[in-house]
Amino acid sequence: NAGVTQTPKFQVLKTGQSMTLQCAQDMNHNSMYWYRQDPGMGLRLIYYSASEGTTDKGEVPNGYNVSRLNKREFSLRLESAAPSQTSVYFCASSFGTTSPTSTDTQYFGPGTRLTVL
Amino acid sequence: AQSVAQPEDQVNVAEGNPLTVKCTYSVSGNPYLFWYVQYPNRGLQFLLKYITGDNLVKGSYGFEAEFNKSQTSFHLKKPSALVSDSALYFCAVRETSGGYNKLIFGAGTRLAVHP
Repeated sequence: NAGVTQTPKFQVLKTGQSMTLQCAQDMNHNSMYWYRQDPGMGLRLIYYSASEGTTDKGEVPNGYNVSRLNKREFSLRLESAAPSQTSVYFCASSFGTTSPTSTDTQYFGPGTRLTVL
Repeated sequence: AQSVAQPEDQVNVAEGNPLTVKCTYSVSGNPYLFWYVQYPNRGLQFLLKYITGDNLVKGSYGFEAEFNKSQTSFHLKKPSALVSDSALYFCAVRETSGGYNKLIFGAGTRLAVHP
């Protein structure tokens, strides 16, 4: 099992350009997440998808859109990149349950390092 | 809303000495707490979790964490540090709202283990 994979690993954009970050998981997880990591701020949730066909905003959704293409894939799109979106982006997945006896541990991909000039 | 705090930006430890990375939490209801580790240029790796039961939780790579309800803490510990333990450590709490789970992360603590 590859776990959670992300492409690309690195990307440099100019202000105003658009791009899509791809994420796929092969663990048959229901829930998927996009985070951004900035120094001194930990990871902040951008969007999440609790199950196939649903997406919801997280803590910092402005400037981003997402698509849950199928159960395996969850993409993040920047329509008009801004320097403030320079960050490391992580995708994660989990089985997706709110049961009090279940851990619903999230597993992370290797990240995409994005620089917007 | 749930939150976690990691009061130390960096912890320095000599190899072979015990290490502690601190985390305090603020939750309504029962806490679901996690520790993750991030090695340079890598994604986050799950280390351990607390859901319920024993206050001492054992995880990967010899790490353990102690849940203390009265002090609202969930400190990460290891009896004998290795240079290879040098990494960024994140504490997180699970928040369930609208029927969905999310993780709320602390800012992270950089652990430096010196030979």
